[in-house]
Amino acid sequence: AQSVTQPDIHITVSEGASLELRCNYSYGATPYLFWYVQSPGQGLQLLLKYFSGDTLVQGIKGFEAEFKRSQSSFNLRKPSVHWSDAAEYFCAVGARNTDKLIFGTGTRLQVFP
Amino acid sequence: EAGVVQSPRYKIIEKKQPVAFWCNPISGHNTLYWYLQNLGQGPELLIRYENEEAVDDSQLPKDRFSAERLKGVDSTLKIQPAELGDSAVYLCASSLSFGTSGVEQFFGPGTRLTVL
Repeated sequence: AQSVTQPDIHITVSEGASLELRCNYSYGATPYLFWYVQSPGQGLQLLLKYFSGDTLVQGIKGFEAEFKRSQSSFNLRKPSVHWSDAAEYFCAVGARNTDKLIFGTGTRLQVFP
Repeated sequence: EAGVVQSPRYKIIEKKQPVAFWCNPISGHNTLYWYLQNLGQGPELLIRYENEEAVDDSQLPKDRFSAERLKGVDSTLKIQPAELGDSAVYLCASSLSFGTSGVEQFFGPGTRLTVL
């Protein structure tokens, strides 16, 4: 069965600092992997996705993520965080034979000026 | 292109009352999902539709929850009667059918339900 673990419930960074949000997944084959962002009172917005090919994927808002099969990880990174990046971030894994997504519990990002 | 539309955005009801949520997916999206998001948690799938057919409702509490997607476009999720533990955000999402663009899902803003 698929599962996703986001070990960090809450992360605080200073504006301009680099960011890495961790995501580990469990799935028996190569999964589809996603990062979504949710601002307060808003729905989820897709930041980036990995289906196949290059393991370093670029997304919107300057985010990137790297798929590491050996570590079952898909960590999200940003070189310089902006105050507007403060939000909840969700990693999700999808099976290749269905379109069912399993979400992690999320990481809340707080950005200090 | 309009996104996924949900209404109402907020709903406050007393326990044992019925409540309904409405979703209009992105035009052309055959697949529609209803998710439950509890506070501090990720979304959990309640039901998935392929056109009019509910193809995965295994997580839907069928004793009090029901859903329909007449004509394969709009969908309604109903709770009757509501319980205190149903307080959560109910998210609707849509996607093209699997096999066309993969499994990218587009989410609406959600309906925040408070049961008193």
